[in-house]
Formats: sequence, structure tokens, C-alpha cells
Amino acid sequence: DQQVKQNSPSLSVQEGRISILNCDYTNSMFDYFLWYKKYPAEGPTFLISISSIKDKNEDGRFTVFLNKSAKHLSLHIVPSQPGDSAVYFCAASALSGTALIFGKGTTLSVSS
Amino acid sequence: DTGVSQNPRHKITKRGQNVTFRCDPISEHNRLYWYRQTLGQGPEFLTYFQNEAQLEKSRLLSDRFSAERPKGSFSTLEIQRTEQGDSAMYLCASSLGGGLRYGGTEAFFGQGTRLTVV
Repeated sequence: DQQVKQNSPSLSVQEGRISILNCDYTNSMFDYFLWYKKYPAEGPTFLISISSIKDKNEDGRFTVFLNKSAKHLSLHIVPSQPGDSAVYFCAASALSGTALIFGKGTTLSVSS
Repeated sequence: DTGVSQNPRHKITKRGQNVTFRCDPISEHNRLYWYRQTLGQGPEFLTYFQNEAQLEKSRLLSDRFSAERPKGSFSTLEIQRTEQGDSAMYLCASSLGGGLRYGGTEAFFGQGTRLTVV
């Protein structure tokens, strides 16, 4: 049973446009969410996080939105750049747990 | 210290052999995690250490798997009697404290060790 779902395996966007990556979760105990980015042959690198006490967190071109009632979060990248092309993982954790639970990832391709 | 280091980067082994991977975390990080990633999946949690103590193990960590962090610094992950289903990328991560939620750092990942069991 997948607790963190990224239902879009891939997303293609033109440079300068907005990229929106979506993530759904099923475990109501999750209260902290993170996005990681992964380039080929590298480990995942942390991008941005959000606590369940917030509904939005912004860091430069990256904004994460959290809708707790829908158990949904999204990552917005504006404007998208070719260097953003990577696999993006959504991850969640619960106060009672330690491990991050990852989704399957969405491959973002930004074309110039 | 430039980050989390994992060795070897690649390992090909015959079914039934034992393999051992090493992870060197960021030096001041007290927490160390092992994850496994298979094709088309996200990283799956295996186990984590706080200093030298192994505090949590996933049910994915069968009896053939053992992890150690003897002095609270580097860690090893051993797989005994490897099976083809063990073929995966094994990722190590480290963090300071319990993560961002507790005022620590996020988990920093190494580049991983890709295991192929033939």
C-alpha cells in the first residue's frame, strides 16, 4: 500500500513556464513533507519542505503548497529552467516515525 | 568533508555471495540512514542509526541484511546469500539531529551503491 503517491511519472514543460508537480498521501499521521531532486548518477538532494502547520512555503523559484484536507501537496517551479530537468521525489514523515516515506518520483523535462 | 560518501559505487556479485557496502556520513551528523531504491520506485527505508545505536529497522530488512555503525561514524551494510531480488541502488543518508522538524538538518544522501546480483 503506497502511502505517498506521485501519479504523474513524467512532466514536460517549456523553459520559462511554470512546472507543477503533484503528490498525494494517505497516512493522516504525516505532518512533515519534503521534496527532493535527483539527477542521474547522483543521490537525491533536498529542495524544500513544509510542516503541516503551514499551507505554503516559498524558497526562490520553488513553492510548495499543502492542502491537508485533500491530503495533497504540490511543488511549483517558476520560471522553469533546463537545469531543473531531474526526477522529483515527494517524501513525508510522521511525528511518531523517523523514516522518510518517498513517492515513486516524477521526471521533469524542461526544454529550451 | 564534501558530503556523504559511499563505496563501492557499483558491485556485481553472483547469487549466494555475501556483499558489504560502506557509508561515510558527513562528519558532524549523528544520524545515519540506509535506503534501497529499485527501478521506477522511490527510496525505501531500511534502517537508521543514532550515533552507534541502531534504533529502527524496516520489515524490508530481512535476516540476511545486517547494518552496523560501530563507533558512530561510518556504517556498513552487509547482505548475506544475495538473491537476484536484492539488485537495487543502496542509498545512505545522514543528518544532524532528528531532521528539519526538530531543528536539525535535512537528510543528505550519498550517490549510492548499485548492486547487481547475477
